[in-house]
Formats: sequence, structure tokens, C-alpha cells
Amino acid sequence: SQWGEENLQALSIQEGEDVTMNCSYKTYTTVVQWYRQKSGKGPAQLILIRSNEREKRSGRLRATLDTSSQSSSLSITGTLATDTAVYFCATGTQVVGQLTFGRGTRLQVYA
Amino acid sequence: DTTVKQNPRYKLARVGKPVNLICSQTMNHDTMYWYQKKPNQAPKLLLFYYDKILNREADTFEKFQSSRPNNSFCSLYIGSAGLEYSAMYLCASSRDRTVNTGQLYFGEGSKLTVL
Repeated sequence: SQWGEENLQALSIQEGEDVTMNCSYKTYTTVVQWYRQKSGKGPAQLILIRSNEREKRSGRLRATLDTSSQSSSLSITGTLATDTAVYFCATGTQVVGQLTFGRGTRLQVYA
Repeated sequence: DTTVKQNPRYKLARVGKPVNLICSQTMNHDTMYWYQKKPNQAPKLLLFYYDKILNREADTFEKFQSSRPNNSFCSLYIGSAGLEYSAMYLCASSRDRTVNTGQLYFGEGSKLTVL
């Protein structure tokens, strides 16, 4: 989970493997966004999933959202070394400016 | 190729001295944000502008100031830097008024080190 008092999560895998990162949140949300931050760069949005959607796909990415358990996941199939980054989930509502980030998951993909 | 630019990329400041960070965007976005990012922590929203209206988070209200002289530029000002201000400062902009439908476009960040 990206929230709570636990440390930043870290995953190390080999290129070609599939990976799933999880995110749980504590407050009401109408949208979950997943961002990726590569070394030396700012975060970039990967996928947005709304509270009325259970799943969203974009290329090798698949995001899920379960509002009943207040959790979301991001899966990457056939990882590449270039997927190495920190992945953040962020939750938001219709309130202007309200996007709250989790601590992130550090993913290292070895070639 | 980022369209949110931040300056400086690296800033070294002495305790008690002021710090001014600059952000610009060329997308004509109405909303601009400043986040503080410390190692192994979540990006923390400090403040944001919607058009000319500044909104500051309650717990950082007195620590950070900002100005937005025009739609493209936004600054973050620290009047007297303390060691706890050492962090990466991320500027972002968004087209939409809320985050319900849109995304944030981030700059590459300004790394502030206070000694």
C-alpha cells in the first residue's frame, strides 16, 4: 500500500515479467490517477480511472479501482528496463486542486 | 520534452536566507500547483493558483508564499529557509479546474538544499 506509515515500497524484477502495484486510500475519491516518475524527471500521468469504472487499459498498463475496499492497482505486462521508475497513485475529487499522492512504489526492471 | 519549466534546477541556500523558485508553462493552463517532495515521502501539495486566486494548504500557510504575475508564470517564495525546507519542489499545471477529469503536467523540479 502506498499510504500509511510503511516505507516506500520497492520491487525488483527481470525484464519481460509482469508486475502489479497496489494503492489503498483513506478518503472519499472520485478519481484515481497513476503517475510515473523517472530519475531526474517530473511525474507524468499514465492513466486515470474514475470511481464509476472498475478497469482501465492503456497499452501494457491496466489499472483497477475498487471503491468498496478503497484500493487501486496498476499492472504492467511485459516490463521493459525503461519502465524503471517510481509509480505514484493519486486520488482526487471534484474539489478544485485536490489531488493527494501516495508515497509511491519504486520499480527496478533489470535487463 | 516538457512544457513546464522550472528554475533553478538546483538551489543551495543558507539557513535564514530567502529562496525564490520560478515556474513557467506554455499550455495556457488556468491552474498551477507547487508540491514539496522529500525522499521516500509522498509529494505534498503546498499551494495552487486557479487563475489569479491563491489557495494555500492550512499546515503550510505561513511558510510559503507565491505570486502569479501572469497566466504563464508562478513563483514559490520562502522568506527564511530552514533545514526542513530541503526538498525537491515540483511545479505542475492543469487545464481543468478540478482533477476529476484532467491531469497534472509536472516540471522536472527544483532541488533545494539548505545548509
